[in-house]
Amino acid sequence: DGGITQSPKYLFRKEGQNVTLSCEQNLNHDAMYWYRQDPGQGLRLIYYSQIVNDFQKGDIAEGYSVSREKKESFPLTVTSAQKNPTAFYLCASSIARVGTGELFFGEGSRLTVL
Amino acid sequence: GNSVTQMEGPVTLSEEAFLTINCTYTATGYPSLFWYVQYPGEGLQLLLKATKADDKGSNKGFEATYRKETTSFHLEKGSVQVSDSAVYFCALYSGGGADGLTFGKGTHLIIQP
Repeated sequence: DGGITQSPKYLFRKEGQNVTLSCEQNLNHDAMYWYRQDPGQGLRLIYYSQIVNDFQKGDIAEGYSVSREKKESFPLTVTSAQKNPTAFYLCASSIARVGTGELFFGEGSRLTVL
Repeated sequence: GNSVTQMEGPVTLSEEAFLTINCTYTATGYPSLFWYVQYPGEGLQLLLKATKADDKGSNKGFEATYRKETTSFHLEKGSVQVSDSAVYFCALYSGGGADGLTFGKGTHLIIQP
């Protein structure tokens, strides 16, 4: 079955550590996205990529980094510069670079900083 | 800029009750409108969409009509079930890639047996 796989589902990190969240899709979608979800705040865009080897900052990119070396993969690194990293992170993809607003989401990764 | 406003939750209903979750938007041009649903511990799924004024999106017994005159896209269901308990997000897309997609803050729906 086609879909988006995020891992790990749960992750604990000590302050000062970088962590990388994995996102893999087998939908052959061009565009991929990372959102952060906090209670009562909805979804906020961190980074997105419309094509391999290219990505753009979203609304809250500070303290995060991404890469897009393969069409199928769009990992997110939460760096120690991110001041409040505890959150639920969602990866998504869409079929076209221009986009239609119709996204396919993974099941999310919950990061907790101890 | 664009914005989406949803009624705040949680919304608690009894099984078989009628559901309305209000959504209004502010946008330039003619956006497409969406409802996404997030079940506990999962990512979001597209529930329904409408791409132009007066269109009605429908899926799984849920409906929403694109009302340009009132800039609204209210979600309705005639008889809810316990399995409908989830968080519902209204969203709009005004074009231009990822920057053109705006989500509301979500409405938590709880259905009691």
